[in-house]
Amino acid sequence: QKEVEQNSGPLSVPEGAIASLNCTYSDRGSQSFFWYRQYSGKSPELIMFIYSNGDKEDGRFTAQLNKASQYVSLLIRDSQPSDSATYLCAVNWEGFKTIFGAGTRLFVKA
Amino acid sequence: EPEVTQTPSHQVTQMGQEVILRCVPISNHLYFYWYRQILGQKVEFLVSFYNNEISEKSEIFDDQFSVERPDGSNFTLKIRSTKLEDSAMYFCASSAQGGNEQYFGPGTRLTVT
Repeated sequence: QKEVEQNSGPLSVPEGAIASLNCTYSDRGSQSFFWYRQYSGKSPELIMFIYSNGDKEDGRFTAQLNKASQYVSLLIRDSQPSDSATYLCAVNWEGFKTIFGAGTRLFVKA
Repeated sequence: EPEVTQTPSHQVTQMGQEVILRCVPISNHLYFYWYRQILGQKVEFLVSFYNNEISEKSEIFDDQFSVERPDGSNFTLKIRSTKLEDSAMYFCASSAQGGNEQYFGPGTRLTVT
């Protein structure tokens, strides 16, 4: 059974701080890793993807992947109240099946 | 910017009825997916579709579900004989390549009464 685990939160950070979100996955064969943001009542919005070990930066977002530890994380720098949402970690196996974690709720306090 | 579209945004149906949810994937994408999200729960994979056939399906995707690409732009999910527990948001997604990033449509909220 392939699983993706996330701390449900809520994670609360002050405006301007760094938010750190974590995710672990069960299958070493996993190939692609994604972070989605989901506002209440809306669809998942892709914010980062990473395919190889290391860090990947895009604006205020950094995704980190460690395949040996089966761990992927998302850092949000200079957090804004508009970043308050649920962040979903998703892991893809063999191209055709993607499993989502339950998500971490983030609150950024103004 | 290209986007995935879905219709209708909200569908109400009676238990036992058939529903068809429609999606228009991003035009140059080749891989299509359906997910569902029951209120307050995680996004669940239902099925992936490539080259006019199902590539992978989950245990949720039983005989009451079917998918079709009836023409060059639409991708549909049919649920036969709906049950109360089918009430959920259904999301369509598409990607350029299998395993690549998937872009989601806005979803169809299905309510079975």
